[in-house]
Amino acid sequence: ETGVTQSPTHLIKTRGQQVTLRCSSQSGHNTVSWYQQALGQGPQFIFQYYREEENGRGNFPPRFSGLQFPNYSSELNVNALELDDSALYLCASSPLAGDGGELFFGEGSRLTVL
Amino acid sequence: AQKITQTQPGMFVQEKEAVTLDCTYDTSDQSYGLFWYKQPSSGEMIFLIYQGSYDEQNATEGRYSLNFQKARKSANLVISASQLGDSAMYFCAMRAPNRGSTLGRLYFGRGTQLTVWP
Repeated sequence: ETGVTQSPTHLIKTRGQQVTLRCSSQSGHNTVSWYQQALGQGPQFIFQYYREEENGRGNFPPRFSGLQFPNYSSELNVNALELDDSALYLCASSPLAGDGGELFFGEGSRLTVL
Repeated sequence: AQKITQTQPGMFVQEKEAVTLDCTYDTSDQSYGLFWYKQPSSGEMIFLIYQGSYDEQNATEGRYSLNFQKARKSANLVISASQLGDSAMYFCAMRAPNRGSTLGRLYFGRGTQLTVWP
């Protein structure tokens, strides 16, 4: 039990739609990052938020955007969904100085785009 | 560029035996961290073990140990006394450079599916 919860757990959208995924991390975890994991692949870093500002981004287009709130919750928004966006989306959080700096992951939101 | 390579798509081990999962990495940073995560079918990534690039001793956590060979750029995971519950996907990951501004950014390999049989 990492204390990181994500919602919804599963959802189905159609191409061109927009989706919002939510994450609630542990109190005191002021860094949150989002990952996309396609079937059969390792997770790919989308972006990181620190104190409510994006401060690192992977190779993802601007239609992937996010927010981090003062209550340690976070959102991932994806606009103009494409079939290749079908994946497991993982949220991860970390305290500023963790033991080994490990990330604590949620169970993910599985998105299917038809 | 940072890169993690896991060359074993699948591994099989009998219960109570030890197994080694391979991981090699590539980075030009001197300060980096290496991680192993376990992902059961539920999807959650479970942290297993961490090794810092400046740590001189191999990390151990219970039945897990990390065989860190810096010159060869390898960070193999050894699981001793395998249990049926160890069956899962295992990912090697790296944070490079290893500092606060990159805290949330890990580079993952493609994973190794471990199956433990009775």
